[in-house]
Amino acid sequence: EDKVVQSPLSLVVHEGDTVTLNCSYEVTNFRSLLWYKQEKKAPTFLFMLTSSGIEKKSGRLSSILDKKELFSILNITATQTGDSAIYLCAVEGRNAGKSTFGDGTTLTVKP
Amino acid sequence: DTEVTQTPKHLVMGMTNKKSLKCEQHMGHRAMYWYKQKAKKPPELMFVYSYEKLSINESVPSRFSPECPNSSLLNLHLHALQPEDSALYLCASSQDRGTGTQPQHFGDGTRLSIL
Repeated sequence: EDKVVQSPLSLVVHEGDTVTLNCSYEVTNFRSLLWYKQEKKAPTFLFMLTSSGIEKKSGRLSSILDKKELFSILNITATQTGDSAIYLCAVEGRNAGKSTFGDGTTLTVKP
Repeated sequence: DTEVTQTPKHLVMGMTNKKSLKCEQHMGHRAMYWYKQKAKKPPELMFVYSYEKLSINESVPSRFSPECPNSSLLNLHLHALQPEDSALYLCASSQDRGTGTQPQHFGDGTRLSIL
């Protein structure tokens, strides 16, 4: 059974801080790892990392994938209060379309 | 607002009622998903439709019955639900699960309460 573990479960920082969120996984026939941000309602897609794309960056957010050690990190620099959300990591294995989610990291950014 | 529209936003029903949740997308996506999300927990996959055919059923109880009338619509029919079925039900879509991973686009969900 595929497994995703995220850490920390929650994190409180102040605006301007840099944070690193962790995601480790066990999956049969790894296809991809995805990061989502969930505020009040719908999760929104951030990054997808695969064997052919192990590093992604968009503005203040970046993510890397270590396929050998089976983990990914999501970095957020110069955090803002709008970054407060639950960050979900999901992996997809041999069954395309079936994503297994971790429990998420709840990030709170204080002014 | 998201590009995946779910109705209703909130639903309260008794254990003997029959109701349906609806989901609509017009992005041309050919894969659609139902998830159940309890408070402070991640989404749990329930069903996946690919090209209007049910491709994954995660051993969901028969009191939940999915339907995909066409490529833009996804329904979830509910009957004789239990209080533990109270949760946020999320619909998602993606381009085509057959060609490998595609990011999923989620709706805002239906908050379901069973009395």
